[in-house]
Amino acid sequence: QKEVEQNSGPLSVPEGAIASLNCTYSDRGSQSFFWYRQYSGKSPELIMFIYSNGDKEDGRFTAQLNKASQYVSLLIRDSQPSDSATYLCAVNNRGGGNKLTFGTGTQLKVEL
Amino acid sequence: GAVVSQHPSWVICKSGTSVKIECRSLDFQATTMFWYRQFPKQSLMLMATSNEGSKATYEQGVEKDKFLINHASLTLSTLTVTSAHPEDSSFYICSARDLASGSTGELFFGEGSRLTVL
Repeated sequence: QKEVEQNSGPLSVPEGAIASLNCTYSDRGSQSFFWYRQYSGKSPELIMFIYSNGDKEDGRFTAQLNKASQYVSLLIRDSQPSDSATYLCAVNNRGGGNKLTFGTGTQLKVEL
Repeated sequence: GAVVSQHPSWVICKSGTSVKIECRSLDFQATTMFWYRQFPKQSLMLMATSNEGSKATYEQGVEKDKFLINHASLTLSTLTVTSAHPEDSSFYICSARDLASGSTGELFFGEGSRLTVL
């Protein structure tokens, strides 16, 4: 079982729709959770992070965390073509020396 | 946000040569920097954790004698790919966390260095 799992996609949504990206993790000791966006050929850039169960909203983005289910998601409202990228879920396990473990990423395509 | 700079951004070298990649935190100090490698259409794989003033910690399967890491100051870590071969061609990305933000603060990424070994 992979430590951090994501559906590779591509996930296609029409412009203006809500994109829902999901991630599951295997280590219950995981402390914090991050969503990164990566455009082709570029480095990842942080979108959001979440530590506590529940929802965290930042503009068009909402991160949702359910530690009991070991599940974290990212919702993107009013999706724009510029949101088309690969979204990487990353998990920080304190027991792992504060390293980030990344999922394989979900490719999102927002279509006009 | 904080800035992490990598140099060079891309490099082409001949098989058997060594290549050094620098990672600098420009406006913060970092006792720990992380080196990742990303092959096309794959995720970031942690290679090693670079520790200022001490030896790097390598992930399982990463050859420490091939990927030399030096973290000589609180703002600079270097990765040297020794005797590079075509299979080492990849996107190498460093990241660092601001010392002042503690162990769970945001991880800032460099722009990445694309290595092509002919």
